[in-house]
Amino acid sequence: QVQLVQSGAEVKKPGASVKVSCKVSGYTLTELSMHWVRQAPGKGLEWMGGFDPEDGETIYAQKFQGRVTMTEDTSTDTAYMELSSLRSEDTAVYYCATGGPRWPPDFDYWGQGTLVTVSS
Amino acid sequence: QSALTQPASVSGSPGQSITISCTGTSSDVGGYNYVSWYQQHPGKAPKLMIYEVSNRPSGVPDRFSGSKSGNTASLTISGLQAEDEADYYCSSYTSSSTPLVFGGGTKLTVL
Repeated sequence: QVQLVQSGAEVKKPGASVKVSCKVSGYTLTELSMHWVRQAPGKGLEWMGGFDPEDGETIYAQKFQGRVTMTEDTSTDTAYMELSSLRSEDTAVYYCATGGPRWPPDFDYWGQGTLVTVSS
Repeated sequence: QSALTQPASVSGSPGQSITISCTGTSSDVGGYNYVSWYQQHPGKAPKLMIYEVSNRPSGVPDRFSGSKSGNTASLTISGLQAEDEADYYCSSYTSSSTPLVFGGGTKLTVL
């Protein structure tokens, strides 16, 4: 059974960056393909990007290209999502999610979510 | 605006059946058998209910079923129960530069 535990809530000012972590247990990160999905308050789900095991590359949603970086530390089985140049519209709950090493992805396992608030 | 169109809300009484639609295009829903459905209760992470149009993960009741016709996918819940009251989201693989998109979500109310 995969468990994903995310870092705690963050408050950031506009223009700053945020880095959210997602610790994997039950499997190693190399056995999974990690993705990130966000949800603004009262809004729907939005896929931000994730690992494509067929190409061996991380794919980002066009909307976030140039502003998001997804990385992994396989020594600690921890995935990271860093979003820069934050604006108020980035206020959301950010989830890490995975369903195993498949593409296209669907998500059997989710982290608990990390609330990122962007406010001056 | 979401890439996939879902009704904002649906409702049904306990024991009844409801269907939630998810309409896309030939570049997403209609072009691939990679439609998934997620259930989300307030304050909780989403839960995968259906993958690849009509497959149920282990542990999901067989009251939940998925199908697709043309550019529209559907989630049907039969024998509605109070605990089915939640938001439901579809997702699909797409041929665009953003390869995974979600619908806007549908709020299911069990009357």
